[in-house]
Formats: sequence, C-alpha cells, structure tokens
Amino acid sequence: QVTLKESGPGILQPSQTLSLTCSFSGFSLSTSGICVSWIRQPSGKGLEWLATICWEDSKGYNPSLKNRLTISKDTSNNQAFLKITSVDTADTAIYYCARPTEGISFDYWGQGVMVTVSS
Amino acid sequence: DIVMTQGALPNPVPSGESVSITCRSSKSLLYSDGKTYLNWYLQRPGQSPQLLIYWMSTRASGVSDRFSGSGSGTDFTLKISGVEAEDVGVYYCQQGLEFPLTFGSGTKLEIK
Repeated sequence: QVTLKESGPGILQPSQTLSLTCSFSGFSLSTSGICVSWIRQPSGKGLEWLATICWEDSKGYNPSLKNRLTISKDTSNNQAFLKITSVDTADTAIYYCARPTEGISFDYWGQGVMVTVSS
Repeated sequence: DIVMTQGALPNPVPSGESVSITCRSSKSLLYSDGKTYLNWYLQRPGQSPQLLIYWMSTRASGVSDRFSGSGSGTDFTLKISGVEAEDVGVYYCQQGLEFPLTFGSGTKLEIK
C-alpha cells in the first residue's frame, strides 16, 4: 500500500527558510523509474507544481520560483525533502507531496501540510 | 510554460445529467511516442486531488467508468455520464509533457 505524508513547521516568518519532509511507504526512491514531486495550493486557489526528484537523483524545478527551491532525498529512510528560501506571504499554502506515474500524472498524494508565512 | 485553460460549468447541475469539462493547452501535448500527456484530477472539498484520467483517455485504477477523457493535441474533454453527489468538487487538467508541469485553474462542479 502506497502512502505519503508531509510534515513542516506550520508557521514561519518572512525571509526564513521553509523545510518540508515527505515520508512515504509502499515504494522506494532507489527503484528505477520512481520519483517524488512537491505541489502546493494556496487557500481557495489552484495547484502549482514545484519540484520533482527521481531515483537516479535527477531533479526538476519550477523556474517561477527561480533559485529558491532545493529538493533532496534520503533513500534509506524513504523520505524526500523540499527547502524554500526567503519565504514571504505568497508562499502560504497547503504543500503536497505526490508520486508521479504514467503520463507524468500523480497517482498517490499525501494529505498535505498547511504552511503559513506571517510576521 | 504550457498554459492550461479550463472552461466553466453551468452550476448547479441536476443529478443524473451528463456534463463535459473542457481544457485547452497552449502547445500540443501529443508526444513522439504517440501518447497525449494530459491528465485529469478531482479534488473533493477538503481532500487531496485524486487522479481520474491519464494519457488523455486512460482511466486510473478504481475510477468509475462514468468518467471518460477524449480530445486532440490541444483540446480536451472530461465527460461525466450521470453526475452523482460524490462527483462534487473541483476538476483540474494537468499537462505531463514537459517541465514545468502545469495545471489548469480548475472547474467547479456543484450538483442540484
């Protein structure tokens, strides 16, 4: 059974660095073809893909966030991570991790973690 | 970036009626492997998105056959045959052709 679960700080202040963890089970990031992605959703708004990391450590980032994103993984502990530097209120959102599959679609999603940026 | 544009529904829709949700991409999503990289999701209120359709017309595992996807390289339709109360939510299309992956702005379905 595939599951994913996000965790994060809940609230942080502008200019700080947001660190998120995706803990998953039912698959391994050491298996050929497996990737994990991060997607966010501001309250009441649509979905925005942020980044993807794959089994061979290839990475893809959304250029709209310029150089603020860093995705990484810990294969041994079945975790993926996302860091966003210099956060501001526009980064307030629910952050999801999800597993890409056929057609670069996302067949499994975590429950999401709410992150609020506020002074 | 590939821009995904979704149409609206004439909400609320009577239960049992069939509806079509449209999505258009700014670039053809037909790849050289012959597959069209267009996916559909339903996000029910308070829940994470759920994959319905991938490769434009392939239903995801466990998805009701009331859902069907069709289209061309740039124009796509998700049809729901006989809407039910459990279909309420926001439907998103998403292109999987290239990074950055992009989603449509969503189409809300309400049922009468």
